[in-house]
Amino acid sequence: GAGVSQSPRYKVAKRGQDVALRCDPISGHVSLFWYQQALGQGPEFLTYFQNEAQLDKSGLPSDRFFAERPEGSVSTLKIQRTQQEDSAVYLCASSSNSPVGWDEQFFGPGTRLTVL
Amino acid sequence: AQSVTQLDSHVSVSEGTPVLLRCNYSSSYSPSLFWYVQHPNKGLQLLLKYTSAATLVKGINGFEAEFKKSETSFHLTKPSAHMSDAAEYFCVVNSGNTPLVFGKGTRLSVIA
Repeated sequence: GAGVSQSPRYKVAKRGQDVALRCDPISGHVSLFWYQQALGQGPEFLTYFQNEAQLDKSGLPSDRFFAERPEGSVSTLKIQRTQQEDSAVYLCASSSNSPVGWDEQFFGPGTRLTVL
Repeated sequence: AQSVTQLDSHVSVSEGTPVLLRCNYSSSYSPSLFWYVQHPNKGLQLLLKYTSAATLVKGINGFEAEFKKSETSFHLTKPSAHMSDAAEYFCVVNSGNTPLVFGKGTRLSVIA
């Protein structure tokens, strides 16, 4: 079956532009996670959804970052007024169960965002 | 609070020799521990996980890890490296209802 997909795979934005990153989780997966992976670092948690509810957004670095999952399946991570420090790979993961972290998270290939 | 320290940023081994990737963790509660592998341009893949059952955990592709509470370690090993094992490896900790916390990664190179 299909895994987690993300689009676009690569995005180049000029500083100050808004971007939207899409995640299609594995069908039927309840939980969806977003992570940010800076160059040479491990992924860092951004936010978590259980169905359409955003249960944890403690990792979002600023109010320029916004995520939604309105119908409990596809999710979009939006970054407003992008800055150079936003350049990173954004990873999406889904798992079949909640609570957070107990079940295997399946990761997408990521979106590499470069802000010029 | 939880944290993970991967003691080596880069490990290089010859094909057919053993692999050891070191990981130490810190957790206030009984942790779950994971190793993920990341090949270039591919998603993270779970190698193995420890969730308070047997302390020696076997994973895919011949990898295994041993949970040592007294040493707060969860080192990843493989008896014989293969060229296809070259990748980035992440040690990950989680306790209860908290997000996964990743280490900074260890890049494994395998020399023919």
